[in-house]
Amino acid sequence: DSGVTQTPKHLITATGQRVTLRCSPRSGDLSVYWYQQSLDQGLQFLIQYYNGEERAKGNILERFSAQQFPDLHSELNLSSLELGDSALYFCASSVGDHPGSYEQYFGPGTRLTVT
Amino acid sequence: AQSVTQPDIHITVSEGASLELRCNYSYGATPYLFWYVQSPGQGLQLLLKYFSGDTLVQGIKGFEAEFKRSQSSFNLRKPSVHWSDAAEYFCAVGVLPTSGTYKYIFGTGTRLKVLA
Repeated sequence: DSGVTQTPKHLITATGQRVTLRCSPRSGDLSVYWYQQSLDQGLQFLIQYYNGEERAKGNILERFSAQQFPDLHSELNLSSLELGDSALYFCASSVGDHPGSYEQYFGPGTRLTVT
Repeated sequence: AQSVTQPDIHITVSEGASLELRCNYSYGATPYLFWYVQSPGQGLQLLLKYFSGDTLVQGIKGFEAEFKRSQSSFNLRKPSVHWSDAAEYFCAVGVLPTSGTYKYIFGTGTRLKVLA
């Protein structure tokens, strides 16, 4: 158990809909990272927040957004969902702000299915 | 553009045999280098990382990796594989482009199968 929690575990929704994925980092970790893992795209880094502020950005679509709240939990919002958004979404957390310097601890993921 | 290549999609080895998983990257400078393992239905776990210094890095679970600047490679090795090592392995690099923020790029993964 990494100490990172993600809810829900599974999510099934229809195209065009909007969903919110939630992540609680390990106690004491200030950074939260979001990743998408799909069969055709592989594992992709989406975005990182550190202590409430956006710190690094990867291949995140404009339809997707994220935020980190004062209690350090984070939410990933996915809107206007398409079939291709079906994937496993991971959250990870680390103590510091530099993703290269601090080990990231991954949550179990949320499996999103868009029908 | 920055990229990470794991040329082997699948590798099968016998238990007790040695293992080497290949990783090559494309980047103008030395990136931060990582190896992660993902067991079925699980998130990723960091095996080891390289930032600078000694080019041979020791990790958890008996793994090691060697950074070779001349070959832009960061291959993962284990002298004797255990059945529990069956998983998918990802190489990743952290790069800081001249414009923009830090990026974390993963390879496509190598799925390891271990024969009893």
